[in-house]
Parts: sequence; structure tokens; C-alpha cells
Amino acid sequence: GAVVSQHPSWVICKSGTSVKIECRSLDFQATTMFWYRQFPKQSLMLMATSNEGSKATYEQGVEKDKFLINHASLTLSTLTVTSAHPEDSSFYICSARDHRGPSYEQYFGPGTRLTVT
Amino acid sequence: AQSVTQPDIHITVSEGASLELRCNYSYGATPYLFWYVQSPGQGLQLLLKYFSGDTLVQGIKGFEAEFKRSQSSFNLRKPSVHWSDAAEYFCAVGAGTGNQFYFGTGTSLTVIP
Repeated sequence: GAVVSQHPSWVICKSGTSVKIECRSLDFQATTMFWYRQFPKQSLMLMATSNEGSKATYEQGVEKDKFLINHASLTLSTLTVTSAHPEDSSFYICSARDHRGPSYEQYFGPGTRLTVT
Repeated sequence: AQSVTQPDIHITVSEGASLELRCNYSYGATPYLFWYVQSPGQGLQLLLKYFSGDTLVQGIKGFEAEFKRSQSSFNLRKPSVHWSDAAEYFCAVGAGTGNQFYFGTGTSLTVIP
């Protein structure tokens, strides 16, 4: 089946630093990837849609200059949290759409827990 | 705008009892509907999905869901709950031109022995 990985699975960083999270589709090509964040005991909120070779589309209220998304290849999208602050601490989950399959299919990664101290 | 509502924040059931988790959606066209389960600190596992056709959908782990267009609902059911089913359950709708997913707020399931 389609597998999506995320790296790292957890990361602790100091306030003011930047951290990069990778999302990879392991056995398929993904023209579109999605980034979500999830606060403790809350639902997943879509942050942005990442399209290979073009600029990401951000949901309303998400700061594009703070959450930099790069989808440089058909198997890799990265989310960089710039100048991280404690309020950015969250669980970040990516998903990927197999370009060969139905447009409504998405495969989710295991998530990355970010803690900003 | 599309939205997903899960009216029950938390449900407690006894092991072996039946279960129904509610999900209502708001979307102008026929949506793509999903149920996911999430254990603490883990990612999402797809339980089942509805795209079209038979409105009663069978999933993994003995779960099923029924799409009712007239009620804009997609409730998840299981006839006999196991202790290992304790987790967070999310209903999601795939909608929009980019088929983005929108999730409900989730229902936390506790199973008592």
C-alpha cells in the first residue's frame, strides 16, 4: 500500500530557531501534498496544500512566511517553521495524493511532534 | 463552505456493547467521506471511506458506516466493541476543487471492561 513517512518523528527546538519537517511518499509519486497541524486533544486543521513545482496554497489564517512549504520533487515536501515560538508547539501531519489514483485519495504520514522551548 | 460536525466529544461504552459515532457534514455536492482512528501520539489510520455506490460501507476492524444523503450524515458503527478500540475517531470530508480534507472535531472513545 501507499506509504508516507515523516522526519523527524519528534523534535525539540529553542524559541527563535527554525525547524524543518520532511514528508516523503515512499512508493508512489505525489503531485499534491497537504500539511495539517493538530493541537492536543483537538482536530486536524489543514494548513496548506503543496503542489510540486509551484507555490503552496495556504488556508486562511496561516502565515505563509512563518510556515514555509517547499515541494521540490514528486516524493518530497518540506515544512519549515521559521522563528519558532512555544505557541507553534504542535503535532504536524502531512498527507500525500498518489498522482495515479483518484483525486480524493490521501495517505497520511505518522506525524511530527514539535516542542518549542 | 464545507464543514464536518461530530456532536459527541466523548463516548464511553462497555466492552462487547454496540457503538455508533455520529458525523454530519455540510457540503453542496456529494462529498467524499472518511472515518479515521488515531491512537494517542500516533498518526491516522483509515477505517473506511465512501465515494459513491452502496451507501453502507464496510471497513477494517469490524467497522461500518452508512451514508444518508437526506440527513447529511455518515455515522460509524460497530456491533461489538473491543477494549483495543479505545481511541480518537475523526470523520472527514474531501471537498473543494483541490479535494482538501476537512476534519470533524473528533470523538474520544473510552471502553470499560
